[in-house]
Amino acid sequence: QKEVEQNSGPLSVPEGAIASLNCTYSDRGSQSFFWYRQYSGKSPELIMSIYSNGDKEDGRFTAQLNKASQYVSLLIRDSQPSDSATYLCAVERDTGRRALTFGSGTRLQVQP
Amino acid sequence: EAQVTQNPRYLITVTGKKLTVTCSQNMNHEYMSWYRQDPGLGLRQIYYSMNVEVTDKGDVPEGYKVSRKEKRNFPLILESPSPNQTSLYFCASSARQGYEQYFGPGTRLTVT
Repeated sequence: QKEVEQNSGPLSVPEGAIASLNCTYSDRGSQSFFWYRQYSGKSPELIMSIYSNGDKEDGRFTAQLNKASQYVSLLIRDSQPSDSATYLCAVERDTGRRALTFGSGTRLQVQP
Repeated sequence: EAQVTQNPRYLITVTGKKLTVTCSQNMNHEYMSWYRQDPGLGLRQIYYSMNVEVTDKGDVPEGYKVSRKEKRNFPLILESPSPNQTSLYFCASSARQGYEQYFGPGTRLTVT
């Protein structure tokens, strides 16, 4: 089992729709969770961080964390073609070195 | 402007020729890290540093060395590069472990 799992996609949604991206993780002691957006050939760009159970909203983005079920999700409202990118879920594991582990990413395509 | 810089951005080299990829951040961050990104494998941590003179192995440290003599710099050294080290490399920094990591623009390395 991978430590951080994401559906590779592509996830295709029409412009203006809600895109829902999911991520599960295996280390129950994980404390910090992040969503990054990565355009092809570019570096990952931080979108959201979440540390406690529940929802966290920032503009069109909402991160949701459920530690009991070990999943974290990202909702993108009013999706735009410029949101088309690969979204990486990252989890800071509860190890001595507290390393950041990334999922392989979900490719999102927003159709105009 | 707060940023992480890497040099060079692109490098083609031959097997066995030592090389160094530099990384510098101007945010006074304590924590720095190197990742490699390969298709289908996602981002994997090579080495990280919690502060000056404190470094430790990540998930894929074989064939790499690092040093942290100054807070702002964290170079990645390949003493004897091999073709399996052909990859896209990212340097990242954060204020502390558990906080958001900010990525440099990436270095695309090809070893022939």
